[in-house]
Order: sequence, then C-alpha cells, then structure tokens
Amino acid sequence: DTEVTQTPKHLVMGMTNKKSLKCEQHMGHRAMYWYKQKAKKPPELMFVYSYEKLSINESVPSRFSPECPNSSLLNLHLHALQPEDSALYLCASSHHGGRSYEQYFGPGTRLTVT
Amino acid sequence: ELKVEQNPLFLSMQEGKNYTIYCNYSTTSDRLYWYRQDPGKSLESLFVLLSNGAVKQEGRLMASLDTKARLSTLHITAAVHDLSATYFCAVGWDTDKLIFGTGTRLQVFP
Repeated sequence: DTEVTQTPKHLVMGMTNKKSLKCEQHMGHRAMYWYKQKAKKPPELMFVYSYEKLSINESVPSRFSPECPNSSLLNLHLHALQPEDSALYLCASSHHGGRSYEQYFGPGTRLTVT
Repeated sequence: ELKVEQNPLFLSMQEGKNYTIYCNYSTTSDRLYWYRQDPGKSLESLFVLLSNGAVKQEGRLMASLDTKARLSTLHITAAVHDLSATYFCAVGWDTDKLIFGTGTRLQVFP
C-alpha cells in the first residue's frame, strides 16, 4: 500500500465550528506532515510529526491543533477559523532517516470557512 | 533562511517544442525533488535528486541537479498536451522540511 488517504475531501465550516481533518498511511512511515496550500501558491509546511511526536511547528496559529494518535494516523483539529484559512490542506508522510526523505502526499482536503 | 525560486512562473508552449524550467535555491542542500500538480489535485512525485550531477529521466521529462551552482533543471522534450500542469521543485532542508519553489504553470497548446 503506497497511498496516503485524507478525509473529508471537502469541508465547509463556520467560524464558530469545530471540525477535524484526518490522514492515514500504511507504508510504515514514521514522519507525517501537514501543509497548507492557497490557490496558485506552493504548499507551506505547518507541522511535522516524527515517531508520533511533534517536531516542527511553523508558528501556526493555535486555532489549528495537530494530533498523532499512532504511527499511521494524523489529525488536524480546527476551531474558530477565519475565512483566510480557506485552502487545500495536504497531508504527507515519509520514512524518517534514510537517504531520500521522499514525501508522499494525500489527495488533500479542500476547506472553506464561511 | 532557505529561498527557492523557479522560472519561468508561467510557460505557454506549443506541442512538439522543447523547454527548460529552472529551480535556484539559496543554501546548500543535497536533496531536490520535482512534483507535478494538476488543478485542484494533490502533488505527484516526479523525481528525487540526491547528489551533485544527478540526472533522471521519465518519458518526456528529464531532471538534473548541480549542487555547486544550487540549480536544478526540468527539461521538457517534444511537449504534449498531457504535460499541462503546475510543476514545483522542492529543496530538502533541516532533515524533515521541504521548501517549495514558486511553481511553474505549464500550458501546452496544439
């Protein structure tokens, strides 16, 4: 299995809602990532988990809360978002260590904040 | 801070023509990746370049890496419409980070 899956594919939420994005991989990867991508822009790294521990937080606002329950799952909890948070949220995974650190991306969740 | 620049940002080319996309980065790295993204879709890995002088080819695309010049190129040979997409280079940084270039939107017309 060489796939990263993400649910939901689309999400519309109000600014007072609480929602979660989910990501799953079964490639035995021990590093998992969240990226945010605005239209016509490159992906921007938000968080990195290595061996289920948060290793990188790129100064992301606290209304985004990541969680890694186990080595296969990664969640992103959303609360009190702003309209400017509307974007494509991409999850990725990679082997930790080794030479290439190649990241495999999921299909993304298209988030709209109203 | 690592900066990654691509040029051109937009490329409109005729089918059958050749062209090169350039990726320049500001700080030493020995890992360079090329990704393709179709509109509204995720990122598809094209090439992983891990050493100076590395060259990889897949179909009409060929990527190379010059770590001394901090430059990678993605060469397109005899373009076809199916290659229309946005192409990103990304530089490996600080173990786990990928810093993406600005992207090159490629449009191939008949």
